[in-house]
Amino acid sequence: KAGVTQTPRYLIKTRGQQVTLSCSPISGHRSVSWYQQTPGQGLQFLFEYFSETQRNKGNFPGRFSGRQFSNSRSEMNVSTLELGDSALYLCASSLATSGEGETQYFGPGTRLLVL
Amino acid sequence: GNSVTQMEGPVTLSEEAFLTINCTYTATGYPSLFWYVQYPGEGLQLLLKATKADDKGSNKGFEATYRKETTSFHLEKGSVQVSDSAVYFCALSPSGYSTLTFGKGTMLLVSP
Repeated sequence: KAGVTQTPRYLIKTRGQQVTLSCSPISGHRSVSWYQQTPGQGLQFLFEYFSETQRNKGNFPGRFSGRQFSNSRSEMNVSTLELGDSALYLCASSLATSGEGETQYFGPGTRLLVL
Repeated sequence: GNSVTQMEGPVTLSEEAFLTINCTYTATGYPSLFWYVQYPGEGLQLLLKATKADDKGSNKGFEATYRKETTSFHLEKGSVQVSDSAVYFCALSPSGYSTLTFGKGTMLLVSP
């Protein structure tokens, strides 16, 4: 089975622009979660989508949004980029049959640099 | 709220040394506990997990035991290799959820 894929792998944007990142989960996985990784804050949960609905949300401003399509692929969007949004954005998928103790499988990430 | 605390790094060891990376957590109920590993330039890989008290997760020579009484999930390996050099993250998912709360990560450097 193919793993979680994320595109693009690298992005350079300038302040004020917006960006869209894409994630394709492992085939059969219905849940997709997004995380932001920075040297200062570490790994922080952004949101989780299941069956095209946002199921959980972390503590991020409304500039961060996402969606999930009927084939479970997901996108996240960041509007009005700030320098502090520079980070590695990781997507993870899981079967989400019970939600309890399920393993999340991570993609390689998209590295975003905001200038 | 939920939180995970793990020892600061880097941890520097010689090959074949014994490894312990401490991890403690705060959570209500009975969370599931995980160790993930991140190699340079890559995403996270699950190393091992435990879903209930006294469970022991193990993989590739690494072990960790879910200790409810001490709210701990320390990672151990009897003999590390240079290829184990990476950043190790302890994480929990609350009871009934799959979302993860991570510790800050511990960098392990193993020299020949």
